[in-house]
Amino acid sequence: LAKTTQPISMDSYEGQEVNITCSHNNIATNDYITWYQQFPSQGPRFIIQGYKTKVTNEVASLFIPADRKSSTLSLPRVSLSDTAVYYCLVGLTFGKGTMLLVSP
Amino acid sequence: NAGVTQTPKFQVLKTGQSMTLQCAQDMNHEYMSWYRQDPGMGLRLIHYSVGAGITDQGEVPNGYNVSRSTTEDFPLRLLSAAPSQTSVYFCASSFTGGGYGYTFGSGTRLTVV
Repeated sequence: LAKTTQPISMDSYEGQEVNITCSHNNIATNDYITWYQQFPSQGPRFIIQGYKTKVTNEVASLFIPADRKSSTLSLPRVSLSDTAVYYCLVGLTFGKGTMLLVSP
Repeated sequence: NAGVTQTPKFQVLKTGQSMTLQCAQDMNHEYMSWYRQDPGMGLRLIHYSVGAGITDQGEVPNGYNVSRSTTEDFPLRLLSAAPSQTSVYFCASSFTGGGYGYTFGSGTRLTVV
């Protein structure tokens, strides 16, 4: 199983772009990289997934370098409602989560 | 379409008791997994299944059993509850493996006293 490392917490202000990086040095060839958002007392919610290069959807972008040993979740123009814990999932292994606090 | 349904939502057990956490999905997903979530530890994989009749251990399988007799159901059994198993348990399912597009249940908060 892959091992993942991500920052414990990050602070931002409304309207800013937030980038959260996850390190996964021992990622397997067939592992996808997936990011989830979790609010208190709820299950994680799927944000975005990728295998390599860049993926973009309506809420986020995911950047994965060629060696796939890290990935960066990019949230454009965050709002207060983006305050949550963000997890990277590599294969079946979650990181410990990054608590993002967005302030006015 | 209910998604992933977990029951019960809350449970208090005494040390040594056994119980089964239920998980059911109605999306015809082949992959199902159980995770536990503890403060500061993130979500850790307990057991997973790639299809009916097939299960495998995850990162923290000790003290838990699973079976997968149908595509829809993936119960998690605690054989003899211990205080260290106090946690929030999440069941997840996906159409394919590799963590692709997991849908999570709302969780079961278990306290072992």
